Order: sequence, then C-alpha cells, then structure tokens
Amino acid sequence: DAGVTQSPTHLIKTRGQHVTLRCSPISGHKSVSWYQQVLGQGPQFIFQYYEKEERGRGNFPDRFSARQFPNYSSELNVNALLLGDSALYLCASSPTPDGNSPLHFGNGTRLTVT
Amino acid sequence: AQSVTQPDIHITVSEGASLELRCNYSYGATPYLFWYVQSPGQGLQLLLKYFSGDTLVQGIKGFEAEFKRSQSSFNLRKPSVHWSDAAEYFCAVLITGGGNKLTFGTGTQLKVEL
Repeated sequence: DAGVTQSPTHLIKTRGQHVTLRCSPISGHKSVSWYQQVLGQGPQFIFQYYEKEERGRGNFPDRFSARQFPNYSSELNVNALLLGDSALYLCASSPTPDGNSPLHFGNGTRLTVT
Repeated sequence: AQSVTQPDIHITVSEGASLELRCNYSYGATPYLFWYVQSPGQGLQLLLKYFSGDTLVQGIKGFEAEFKRSQSSFNLRKPSVHWSDAAEYFCAVLITGGGNKLTFGTGTQLKVEL
C-alpha cells in the first residue's frame, strides 16, 4: 500500500510569493494534518482536517490556509511568503481524528524562500 | 502550557552499546506519548506509543520506552544499538481537543560509532 505522498518534494520561492503544497493520505484515512519543521527543531502543528472540515489550527498567521477535498487529499497554501517560512512541511494522515489513531507521516516538502 | 523537553541535543554511542534517550513532558491530564524517528530527508516513523496500561511499551526495531508518571518522563531505550539506528529521535505528547495535535520536543540527534 502507498504511504502518505506529498508534492512537490522541493521548491524554491521568492519572498512575497504564494505556494501550494499537496498531500495524498493513505487509502482509507480520512484525517489529514499539516506540520512545519524548521531546521533544528521538532515539527509544529499547523492544521488538522477531517471530512473536509477544519478540526484544529496551530499558532500560525492567517497567511497559512488549507483545505481537504472529497477524496481526502489536502492542500496547504501559504501567502506572502517570508524568509522564516523556509522549512520542511510534513503531512500526516490517520483513519480518524481521534487521539488513539496514530499519525502516518509523508516525507515532506522542503520549501526554501529566498 | 503543554511541552516536551529532550535535554540531549546530540548523543554518540558505539555500535553494540546500550542507548537511553531522555524525554520529559508537561501535561495536566493523562498523556498520550510517542517516540518518532526521522532519517535524513525522510518523514517521521512511529517507533512506539503509550496510551495507558503497562508502563513499559515495546516498539519496532527493538526499541522500548518506560512511562514514569512520578518523574513526568518517557525515556526511550535500546539494549544494543546498530549503525542503522543513527537518526534524529523525537518525543511527542498528544494534545486532545481542538484537533489531534502532537507537540514535539526539539529532538535528539543520535550518532553511532563503528
């Protein structure tokens, strides 16, 4: 079975631009979460979606937004990019949004903002 | 606020030696605790989890962890380290309510000397 897939694997953007990152969950998983991992730090929670509805949001500015589609795939959008947005963006899926449903992570998208 | 502390940023051990990675958490309720491993350029792989019950939990790749409520700790152990265990290890606590959010520590980088 395919794991969580993310695209693209790497991308480079300029300050002020917009970026869209994509995630396909494991088949049968209906919950998708997004995390930001800055170099040298642990991942930080950005969003969780379940059945196309936002279930939780971390401490990130409104420049960050996301959505989930009927096939449970998800997009993370970041507007007005800042240098500090450079990070590895990780998507994780789980069958349900419950606490006892462990997250399965993708390999991430490495975003560099210049 | 909930937090996870991993006191050791880097640890170096010889192949075949035993390993213990420290993790302390701050969380008001009964915690759900996790250990993840991240190899370079990869996403996070779940090693083991603690929800309740037996305080000594077994995971994949020969790892185990012990939950000690009195010390607010969840240390990861392995009796004999292999060179392939070199990676970054993250401890995390699950925050329920308002999404299924993992709060991660800053990670411990493990180097294995041959």
